[in-house]
Amino acid sequence: GENVEQHPSTLSVQEGDSAVIKCTYSDSASNYFPWYKQELGKRPQLIIDIRSNVGEKKDQRIAVTLNKTAKHFSLHITETQPEDSAVYFCAGTDDYKLSFGAGTTVTVRA
Amino acid sequence: DAGVIQSPRHEVTEMGQEVTLRCKPISGHNSLFWYRQTMMRGLELLIYFNNNVPIDDSGMPEDRFSAKMPNASFSTLKIQPSEPRDSAVYFCASSLVGNEQYFGPGTRLTVT
Repeated sequence: GENVEQHPSTLSVQEGDSAVIKCTYSDSASNYFPWYKQELGKRPQLIIDIRSNVGEKKDQRIAVTLNKTAKHFSLHITETQPEDSAVYFCAGTDDYKLSFGAGTTVTVRA
Repeated sequence: DAGVIQSPRHEVTEMGQEVTLRCKPISGHNSLFWYRQTMMRGLELLIYFNNNVPIDDSGMPEDRFSAKMPNASFSTLKIQPSEPRDSAVYFCASSLVGNEQYFGPGTRLTVT
């Protein structure tokens, strides 16, 4: 099955700086890679996703890049704000079964 | 759309008792997932239904866990008997096959 590894486990950034989270996957058949944000005590919420036929996708301050050859994908958050503080999960799948990374706790310092 | 609905939001029970968690998926979605989240193990898929049929239950921990989906708008996850190690947040999620999964608010289960 798919195995997704996520780094770093914690990330502290100054407000206004950028944050980058990296994930690697094992199954070359994986073709869908969503990112979820989970605030304390809340549900995971999809913030952006990318499919294997695309190399990069942006949505306002967030972007995701995918390198199929190297089997890794990354989340980039620019101009970080206090409300970006949360746990972020990457995931990958080639069908229905999402394999989640262990999560990255992002703290944005004011 | 109200999104995925779960009940109860919090459940505290004693070891040995039966626990039933409920989920109403988003209308029109044909896939339903039950997840368990703990600090130690992260997000684990317990069971996956497609068109009300259980497709993959390989994540169900043991026979004490069972899940049903009697129709397209309702699913239950039952634990009988419950044990302290079952304490976790249980999420239900739904999707159209091949697309993004939408999570419910979760049920925080505490077994004492």
